[in-house]
Amino acid sequence: NAGVTQTPKFRILKIGQSMTLQCTQDMNHNYMYWYRQDPGMGLKLIYYSVGAGITDKGEVPNGYNVSRSTTEDFPLRLELAAPSQTSVYFCASSYSGYSNEQFFGPGTRLTVL
Amino acid sequence: GESVGLHLPTLSVQEGDNSIINCAYSNSASDYFIWYKQESGKGPQFIIDIRSNMDKRQGQRVTVLLNKTVKHLSLQIAATQPGDSAVYFCAEKTDFGNEKLTFGTGTRLTIIP
Repeated sequence: NAGVTQTPKFRILKIGQSMTLQCTQDMNHNYMYWYRQDPGMGLKLIYYSVGAGITDKGEVPNGYNVSRSTTEDFPLRLELAAPSQTSVYFCASSYSGYSNEQFFGPGTRLTVL
Repeated sequence: GESVGLHLPTLSVQEGDNSIINCAYSNSASDYFIWYKQESGKGPQFIIDIRSNMDKRQGQRVTVLLNKTVKHLSLQIAATQPGDSAVYFCAEKTDFGNEKLTFGTGTRLTIIP
């Protein structure tokens, strides 16, 4: 199993541009999450999904959108990028909400200039 | 508001010694506490968890201690190795089945050869 994969690994955006961060998992996990990690900080939950067709906001959802059309994929959309969105973005998955173990992807480092 | 925090941002330990990483929490309603390890350039990786009705839990070379009286959590790593160098995060979950984790800011552990 590849686990959780994310693309791209790095990206530089100009202010106002848009992009989609891709996340795919091959573990047949129902739950998927998007976090952002600012330098020297912990992870903040942006959005999460408990199954295909179901998404919900986390702690810091403003400026982002998600969709979950399949169990495997959970893309994160940035509209009108701002410098405050410069961060490292991690996608994660878990079998259920009863599992404390979330499996993380390698991250996408995004810089907005 | 409720938060998960850490006492020390950095910790340097001689190879072969034991490491103790501390974490303070303020949400007395948290049901689970979890430790994650994040190596440079990678996503976090689950280490061990402990339920709030336990005081101690042991894994392979790691022990987590929970003191609910003072709302303190610690991760002990025995006989530290160079591969233990990483940032360690504690996280909490407010109830079993709740899919969301709240992460602390992390402690960087450096192993001195």
